[in-house]
Amino acid sequence: DGGITQSPKYLFRKEGQNVTLSCEQNLNHDAMYWYRQDPGQGLRLIYYSQIVNDFQKGDIAEGYSVSREKKESFPLTVTSAQKNPTAFYLCASSILAGGKNIQYFGAGTRLSVL
Amino acid sequence: GENVEQHPSTLSVQEGDSAVIKCTYSDSASNYFPWYKQELGKRPQLIIDIRSNVGEKKDQRIAVTLNKTAKHFSLHITETQPEDSAVYFCAALWANNLFFGTGTRLTVIP
Repeated sequence: DGGITQSPKYLFRKEGQNVTLSCEQNLNHDAMYWYRQDPGQGLRLIYYSQIVNDFQKGDIAEGYSVSREKKESFPLTVTSAQKNPTAFYLCASSILAGGKNIQYFGAGTRLSVL
Repeated sequence: GENVEQHPSTLSVQEGDSAVIKCTYSDSASNYFPWYKQELGKRPQLIIDIRSNVGEKKDQRIAVTLNKTAKHFSLHITETQPEDSAVYFCAALWANNLFFGTGTRLTVIP
């Protein structure tokens, strides 16, 4: 289960509060991703970063923010502007090589609203 | 961007039978198609992938087929076992990002 570590496993957010989900990888991967998983909706891309100090919005970036100050770390902040934050959040990392993008996932963080 | 559709959303099969999950994609520029398996409470893990220069790939009891003309690809699991029960996601690589289908919950009935 090594490689990508997400913490915490469970997180509760109060109304109006920002919370930050941690994602750390020791695979020396350049690219990192955040996905939101809701029942019946698959994996939806929130943000991605293909190199340190650079990141791009995915399909559902509104209400979220990220940073990529180190290659190993890609934290996700769920801001108070995200009105429906309850979901399972997955972080992944990958190397693009040989025309492939093989993503390795963390164990996830389940966020609930109090 | 790319749009990936996956069917069915749920699938139940008897142990030993075959299971087939189908996906379609919208952009012909997509050229890499992985399949991920997510067991209950666990992280998604890659089980098989195919690049657009081949039509079929097999790995023991699982196989993936790709029809580039029709823009669809399928996962085939033969001789299903209870441990195959999981949610399966297809994906397509477009502009260096993976676009995922909505998942298929496969239940293998002993």
